[in-house]
Amino acid sequence: GAVVSQHPSWVICKSGTSVKIECRSLDFQATTMFWYRQFPKQSLMLMATSNEGSKATYEQGVEKDKFLINHASLTLSTLTVTSAHPEDSSFYICSASGIRETQYFGPGTRLLVL
Amino acid sequence: AQTVTQSQPEMSVQEAETVTLSCTYDTSESDYYLFWYKQPPSRQMILVIRQEAYKQQNATENRFSVNFQKAAKSFSLKISDSQLGDAAMYFCAYRSAGGAQKLVFGQGTRLTINP
Repeated sequence: GAVVSQHPSWVICKSGTSVKIECRSLDFQATTMFWYRQFPKQSLMLMATSNEGSKATYEQGVEKDKFLINHASLTLSTLTVTSAHPEDSSFYICSASGIRETQYFGPGTRLLVL
Repeated sequence: AQTVTQSQPEMSVQEAETVTLSCTYDTSESDYYLFWYKQPPSRQMILVIRQEAYKQQNATENRFSVNFQKAAKSFSLKISDSQLGDAAMYFCAYRSAGGAQKLVFGQGTRLTINP
């Protein structure tokens, strides 16, 4: 139980294009999902908290117009990186808040912007 | 704001031996949760163990156990009978019992298992 999927696992795109990443809780409902960014050999950096049916809450320093988050259902949240640039290249991870107040993580998405 | 500190950037242990990873945290709250997550080379974050602050009993999951010292704000992870598959980055994390449910992560400890 408590499985979270993330799609795609890898994406390469050209500078200026937009990329959408999906995060799904497969066997539980998640009213709250989280989006993280991780640089090599570093810890996870929380970007935003996504609540079903409401606007996401962004962490300080994260551009909300750059990283669009939509949480349309209890099992799906999406992160769209708009007008991506090489500095947006990173590893993006989502998590869903499940049973026993525990966050379960997706496998991550590697984004490379050329 | 809460902080989590992992003072050991790297640790190594011989296969089948026991290793302890350290974690301290700072908070003024009395009710919270603590977690250890493992991130192997695949980069998938895997829950290792969780502890509720109101429970005095230390959590145990097979070969993994914690030493939770609430007064000292310490939450160490002990791995017994280390296996090659335990090699990973280990992150300690804190979560308030109420509020925004955000996790506060430590910097991580890279664990190497020597055969």
